[in-house]
Amino acid sequence: GAVVSQHPSRVICKSGTSVKIECRSLDFQATTMFWYRQFPKQSLMLMATSNEGSKATYEQGVEKDKFLINHASLTLSTLTVTSAHPEDSSFYICSVQGDTEAFFGQGTRLTVV
Amino acid sequence: GEDVEQSLFLSVREGDSSVINCTYTDSSSTYLYWYKQEPGAGLQLLTYIFSNMDMKQDQRLTVLLNKKDKHLSLRIADTQTGDSAIYFCAARPGAAGNKLTFGGGTRVLVKP
Repeated sequence: GAVVSQHPSRVICKSGTSVKIECRSLDFQATTMFWYRQFPKQSLMLMATSNEGSKATYEQGVEKDKFLINHASLTLSTLTVTSAHPEDSSFYICSVQGDTEAFFGQGTRLTVV
Repeated sequence: GEDVEQSLFLSVREGDSSVINCTYTDSSSTYLYWYKQEPGAGLQLLTYIFSNMDMKQDQRLTVLLNKKDKHLSLRIADTQTGDSAIYFCAARPGAAGNKLTFGGGTRVLVKP
């Protein structure tokens, strides 16, 4: 069964609006979750590491104010794309890691029009 | 930092074996993963291997690890059309909080 549940799977929004993506860890408590972005026909690019109860750690070049991450509980992390623009259109995937395995959500296809 | 590389494309006939190769640079990588991604979907964890192992077999999948050469391979036996997808290898240093570094992905096309 699924270990990580990501919602929504697809979203279309207008430029200037904000979109929230949820990532839930179903099988275990996750103090750390990871958010990735994937461009068409490319690999995954790590955006940020979400830390439960504290601030997220962002990778170089990722705008903190643009991509807001909240990790309020051990089973839920959210990514909010603020003031979305067409260039934010992409596939966003979250990940939960255990001691050995690393599981990914189903991904969210964001289209900004 | 870690660099993970894969070949871009593999074409194989249905019923044959597929071998996807991956190299990495960081000798401290403790866990090495293989994921499958179908169009529009997330990543499905196929298997992983711990760095103190040379081989791991799971049904049709066989992972070989040459730690000296930092080379990882995934063999799919009796390849089926449903195996057509993009396959990513990824490497991670020891602790659960450490991030994965991904290869660029290998697109596997299975021909009938």
